[in-house]
This record gives sequence, structure tokens and C-alpha cells, in this order.
Amino acid sequence: RKEVEQDPGPFNVPEGATVAFNCTYSNSASQSFFWYRQDCRKEPKLLMSVYSSGNEDGRFTAQLNRASQYISLLIRDSKLSDSATYLCVVNNNDMRFGAGTRLTVKP
Amino acid sequence: NAGVTQTPKFQVLKTGQSMTLQCAQDMNHNSMYWYRQDPGMGLRLIYYSASEGTTDKGEVPNGYNVSRLNKREFSLRLESAAPSQTSVYFCASRQGLNYGYTFGSGTRLTVV
Repeated sequence: RKEVEQDPGPFNVPEGATVAFNCTYSNSASQSFFWYRQDCRKEPKLLMSVYSSGNEDGRFTAQLNRASQYISLLIRDSKLSDSATYLCVVNNNDMRFGAGTRLTVKP
Repeated sequence: NAGVTQTPKFQVLKTGQSMTLQCAQDMNHNSMYWYRQDPGMGLRLIYYSASEGTTDKGEVPNGYNVSRLNKREFSLRLESAAPSQTSVYFCASRQGLNYGYTFGSGTRLTVV
């Protein structure tokens, strides 16, 4: 079993849609969690940290469920510019990355 | 605002050749990392350096060596390149364990 698992997608949604990604992790001792965004042929960039109480940044909401060992990312009112691959990241002494979920937002 | 700088951006090697990928960060971060990214595999950790003077193996260290030259610089060396090492290589740094990474722009390496 992979340490961090994500649905690879692709998710194809129209502009304005709400889309949610889930990610599961295997190490219950994991300390911190992040979502990264990666555009085609670019480096990953930090989208947001994920806190136990859940957190929101504009149209993006991240949640953590430690008991079930999953993390989620919700994107509301999708924009064309949200098209990218979203990487779930779980941190112990180093960061373990999911393979990513590809999102395409269409006009 | 340089952040993490990687060189070269692209490289083609013949099987058996050696090369060093360079990485430097100007954010005074303690920890530095080398990852490789392959389609469908996600990013996999090759080596990391938690602080100046220390290095440790990650998930996929075979065929690679690293040097933490000083706090700023962390290099990755391929002694005898193999086609299986064709990949995109990312260097990253962070201030501490609970901080996110800042990545360099990557090196696209092809071994023929």
C-alpha cells in the first residue's frame, strides 16, 4: 500500500462547479499535511497547509480527518486557472507525496 | 527573490556518464531535499539533508550520491547514469519539519 493515495482523475468540470479531492495516508503518526498545486512542466507550489480544525483560503477549503486518515480539498466556483494537478502531501521527518489528481476546468 | 535555484534545466546523458545536479537556496533554510518525479509515481525522495553537515537516504537512493556543501548548497551526483534515471529532478528546501517546501524549477534529465 502506498503511503499517500489519491484518485488520479482526471476530473473535468465546467467553470463555476464545485469539486472535491480526497487523499488517504497510511502513517498514523504523520505530523502535518499540505496541498500543493503543480502546473504542467512546472515545479509544485504550496497551495495550503491543512490543519486539524480545517481551514479556508478564499475558494479553497482543506480538511483533515485523523481518525480516518484522510485529507480533503474543496474548490468552489472553479476557474479556468484552477486547471492543474493537485498533490496531497503528508509530513513525517520528510514529505511523502501522492501521485496527484489532475483537474481540468472547461469553459 | 531567487528562492531555490537548480542547474542545469535540461540534460541528456549517455549511459555510464556522470554528472552533478546543483541546487542552491537563499532563504537560510536548514533542510534540503532531492526528489525525482516520474509519470504516475509522484515525487519520490532520493536524499535529504536535515541540516548542514548531515545527509540521509530517502526512498530511492540507489545510483545517487549527495553533498551538502554548506548551508546554501546541496548537490546530487549520478556516478554512472542509467536509462532508469531518466526523470525530472526537483530540489527543495524548508525551514523546519512542520513547514512546507519551496521547490526549484527542476532538471529534466534524459539518459540514452
